[in-house]
Amino acid sequence: GAGVSQTPSNKVTEKGKYVELRCDPISGHTALYWYRQSLGQGPEFLIYFQGTGAADDSGLPNDRFFAVRPEGSVSTLKIQRTERGDSAVYLCASSFSGGKFEQFFGPGTRLTVL
Amino acid sequence: GEDVEQSLFLSVREGDSSVINCTYTDSSSTYLYWYKQEPGAGLQLLTYIFSNMDMKQDQRLTVLLNKKDKHLSLRIADTQTGDSAIYFCAEKPGSQGNLIFGKGTKLSVKP
Repeated sequence: GAGVSQTPSNKVTEKGKYVELRCDPISGHTALYWYRQSLGQGPEFLIYFQGTGAADDSGLPNDRFFAVRPEGSVSTLKIQRTERGDSAVYLCASSFSGGKFEQFFGPGTRLTVL
Repeated sequence: GEDVEQSLFLSVREGDSSVINCTYTDSSSTYLYWYKQEPGAGLQLLTYIFSNMDMKQDQRLTVLLNKKDKHLSLRIADTQTGDSAIYFCAEKPGSQGNLIFGKGTKLSVKP
């Protein structure tokens, strides 16, 4: 079946603008995760959804970052007043709920803030 | 605090074994993972090990876990040029749903 998809694959924006990044998880996966990967680093956790609710948003760096998953499937990561330091690859993953279940990663959205 | 440490680079010759090492800090971690990332591609799970296991073997891959020292290793037997990639170690702390990743080890395989 289809894997995790993310759109757009690349996004270039100007400092101060608002961006939305979309993630379509694997059908049937109740858990959805957002990570951010800067150059030369491993992925860093941002937020985790269980169904429609954010089970853990402790990784969001500040209040410019917000994510929603209104129907328990597609999720949108929203970044307000973007800064150059927000430039990174934003990764989405999904899994069945809990335990060892593998997190399947999407290809990521490369965000560049000029 | 939570931290996963890996050496950044490893270079081996084709046909040799590769050993990538990782240390983690959270003793509550229930699962430990190895992911592979090829250039321009997403993260692919290679293997995982449950914290009550010492070793897991899967074809050319062998994972060793020393829970006392919080040390994890991935051995790739008969390394091929197609194994060239960045390998990430990750832990899943018992109380959390997310993974905590290391910075990755770049494996270069020379013919």
